[in-house]
Amino acid sequence: KQEVTQIPAALSVPEGENLVLNCSFTDSAIYNLQWFRQDPGKGLTSLLLIQSSQREQTSGRLNASLDKSSGRSTLYIAASQPGDSATYLCAVNPNDYKLSFGAGTTVTVRA
Amino acid sequence: EAQVTQNPRYLITVTGKKLTVTCSQNMNHEYMSWYRQDPGLGLRQIYYSMNVEVTDKGDVPEGYKVSRKEKRNFPLILESPSPNQTSLYFCASSDKNQLDTQYFGPGTRLTVL
Repeated sequence: KQEVTQIPAALSVPEGENLVLNCSFTDSAIYNLQWFRQDPGKGLTSLLLIQSSQREQTSGRLNASLDKSSGRSTLYIAASQPGDSATYLCAVNPNDYKLSFGAGTTVTVRA
Repeated sequence: EAQVTQNPRYLITVTGKKLTVTCSQNMNHEYMSWYRQDPGLGLRQIYYSMNVEVTDKGDVPEGYKVSRKEKRNFPLILESPSPNQTSLYFCASSDKNQLDTQYFGPGTRLTVL
């Protein structure tokens, strides 16, 4: 059974600092991996999706890397802003109809 | 606007009182799914549906029922709620050919006393 772990559970940084969020998974046979953002009272928003054949994906200040063989993904957020404060979830897709989610990292960016 | 809606958004109920959480999507998606989110555990899938009248169990289906009589709606039914079903529930939908792109509803916070 796929286990997805996110460390740390919470992170607080001053504005402008770069963020590094980690995700690890136990079964490397994945189809793709996604990073989601969750804001209080709202649903999940997909940030980046990395196919299993890719090593990284970028969107604006966000960059996600994937090392499938070691079961790891990292989300980098450059020059953090208070608006980046949210919970970030990692989810792996084993090529069926179920996503396996990590518990998330709650980020606070202090102005 | 493409969206997934859930009702109610907040619900406090008592043990054993049947309840239904509705989910509706306006994107003509075939695939719909229910998740529950608990502190420290992430989202876990309860049930999913690949199309009308086609449903299947996820990882934590015990104590829940679903139905898919129409493409746009996928209600979650708790016949006899218990306190361990207190959780945050999310409905999601996607096109069957793009299962990696799921649209999530805003969530329903359920408290069972």
